[in-house]
Formats: sequence, structure tokens, C-alpha cells
Amino acid sequence: ELKVEQNPLFLSMQEGKNYTIYCNYSTTSDRLYWYRQDPGKSLESLFVLLSNGAVKQEGRLMASLDTKARLSTLHITAAVHDLSATYFCAVGAAGNNRKLIWGLGTSLAVNP
Amino acid sequence: DAGVTQSPTHLIKTRGQQVTLRCSPKSGHDTVSWYQQALGQGPQFIFQYYEEEERQRGNFPDRFSGHQFPNYSSELNVNALLLGDSALYLCASSSPLGGGAFFGQGTRLTVV
Repeated sequence: ELKVEQNPLFLSMQEGKNYTIYCNYSTTSDRLYWYRQDPGKSLESLFVLLSNGAVKQEGRLMASLDTKARLSTLHITAAVHDLSATYFCAVGAAGNNRKLIWGLGTSLAVNP
Repeated sequence: DAGVTQSPTHLIKTRGQQVTLRCSPKSGHDTVSWYQQALGQGPQFIFQYYEEEERQRGNFPDRFSGHQFPNYSSELNVNALLLGDSALYLCASSSPLGGGAFFGQGTRLTVV
């Protein structure tokens, strides 16, 4: 059974600092997604990672995937307050490209 | 393109009642998945519909049922509501071409 673990679950950081969120999954998968959720809002797709070694960047966020280690990272560079949100990784279940298994989310607070 | 739309946005029901939530997928998407997100938790997969049939199901009781129509829109029905059913219900649509899931704004269900 596919399980997805994120850490940390809570992260408080200062503006301008760098940090990394980790997403581990337990069985083989060929696709991983990162989403952002603001309080009371729905989920916004950030990145889709489909192959080993994939790296994608958007602004101050960069995501990578290592399928051999079953690990994805979401790196935050020079954080700003607007990045405060909850970040989820979701992994596509093997053999089914539509069902997603979700991590618990990382609640990020960026403080001035 | 209106993206994924859900209705209603908010709903208050009494224990024991029944509720129907609706979802229209993004244009070009043929698969609809439903998720339940309790406060402070990650989304939990309820079920997925494709070609008007339930293709995958998560660990939810039979009180949760659904339907997909020929135009790919979908309904989620919950019978005999419990207080614990209070949550944000998210609909996500996806394409046969891949690219991850796109989420609607959700329906906030409160059971009193």
C-alpha cells in the first residue's frame, strides 16, 4: 500500500531564509505532484514531476524528484510572507494514473 | 474555461439527513475524483469516476455514493449524515493526457 510522508509538518521561518520540505513515499510511482493550499481555499497545482531527476522551478520554489530514493523535495529560496500556506505532496498510485495518495501537508509560516 | 466548479460552496445539514454535492470538471477532462478534507488534515480519497462508473474507492462507508453523467459532471451523495462528516469536500478532474488533477473550490459541509 502506497504511503506518503511529509516533513516537517509545521515550519516557521523568517523572510529571506531558505528551507526544504521533504516528501517520502513507500512504493514505486512514476508521478508526484506538489500543491499549495491557502486557509479555507482549495488546492492549487504547483508542480508535476514525472521522471527521475526531474527538477522544476517557479519563482522562489523549486521541486525535484528522485524515484530511486522515493523522495521529492520542495525547496524555498529567500522566503517571503506570500509563501505562507500549506504545501501538500501527492503521489500517483502505481497502475492508476488518476488516483493520488496525499501527504499530511506542511504548514508554512513566513514571518517578517 | 471555467475550470472545475462545485456547488454549493457552503452547506449546513442536520444529523441523519442526506446531502448531494455537485461537480463540473474542467473542459477536456473525463475523470472526476472526490476527496474529503477535515480541518487540519490532508485530502482523503473517497472515490473516482470514469466513463460513468466508479473505478476506485477509498476507505469510506457505503453511505458515500456517487454518480457521473454523460457530460462527465459528477455528484457525491452522503446519506445518514454524521457530525464527523463535516469537512471540505473537494472535487478534482483529470485528463487522459495526464498532467495531474485540478481542484474545484470545494464545498464546506457542516453537520449539526
